[in-house]
Amino acid sequence: AQSVSQHNHHVILSEAASLELGCNYSYGGTVNLFWYVQYPGQHLQLLLKYFSGDPLVKGIKGFEAEFIKSKFSFNLRKPSVQWSDTAEYFCAVNTGNQFYFGTGTSLTVIP
Amino acid sequence: GAVVSQHPSWVICKSGTSVKIECRSLDFQATTMFWYRQFPKQSLMLMATSNEGSKATYEQGVEKDKFLINHASLTLSTLTVTSAHPEDSSFYICSVPGRQYTEAFFGQGTRLTVV
Repeated sequence: AQSVSQHNHHVILSEAASLELGCNYSYGGTVNLFWYVQYPGQHLQLLLKYFSGDPLVKGIKGFEAEFIKSKFSFNLRKPSVQWSDTAEYFCAVNTGNQFYFGTGTSLTVIP
Repeated sequence: GAVVSQHPSWVICKSGTSVKIECRSLDFQATTMFWYRQFPKQSLMLMATSNEGSKATYEQGVEKDKFLINHASLTLSTLTVTSAHPEDSSFYICSVPGRQYTEAFFGQGTRLTVV
C-alpha cells in the first residue's frame, strides 16, 4: 500500500531560521505531490503541488519544495520562517483517485 | 478552487445518540467527496469515499453501519455517526477533489465530542 512518511513530528524554530521538512513516499508509479498547511483553527490549505516539469516548485508565502524522484522525496523548505508560519504541515500524495497524507509536522516559530 | 463548507464546526452529544455532519461544495459539483478522521497529532485517515447517487466506499476497518454516508446531490454529502460513543470523539474532515484530482479542497472540519 502507498504510504507517506514525515520524519519530523514537531519542529521548533526561531524567527528568521531556515526550515526544511522531510517527506518520503512509497509508490513506484506516477504521483502528484502536495504540501498542505493547517493553521490553528482553520481548514487545510494548499501550499504547493508538483505534477511534472521543474522538480523545484514554488508555493505561497515563500515556501518551496523539491521533488527528488530517486529518493522518493518531496521536502518542503523556507529560507526564513516567520511567527505566522506556526501551523501543522501535511505532505500528501495523489495516485489516481486517492490522496494519501503523512502524519503531519507541527511547526512552532518563536518570535 | 472549490469552496467546501462543513457544518457543524463542533458538536457535543450524549453517548448513544446520532450526529449528522454535512459537507457542501458551494461552487463545484462534486460526484465524489472524501471523509477523513483526524486524531490529535496524527494524519488524516480516510474513512470513506462518498459517491453521488450510489453507495459509499468504505476503507478497511470502518464500520459502514456506524458511519452512514449519503451523497444525495452533487453538492451535499452527509456523514451520520450512529449510536455515538466516547471513542468516536474526533475531528472529522470532508474533502472535495478538484478536476482530475489535481487538488483536494477541504472543509473546516467538525469537532465531535461524545460524553
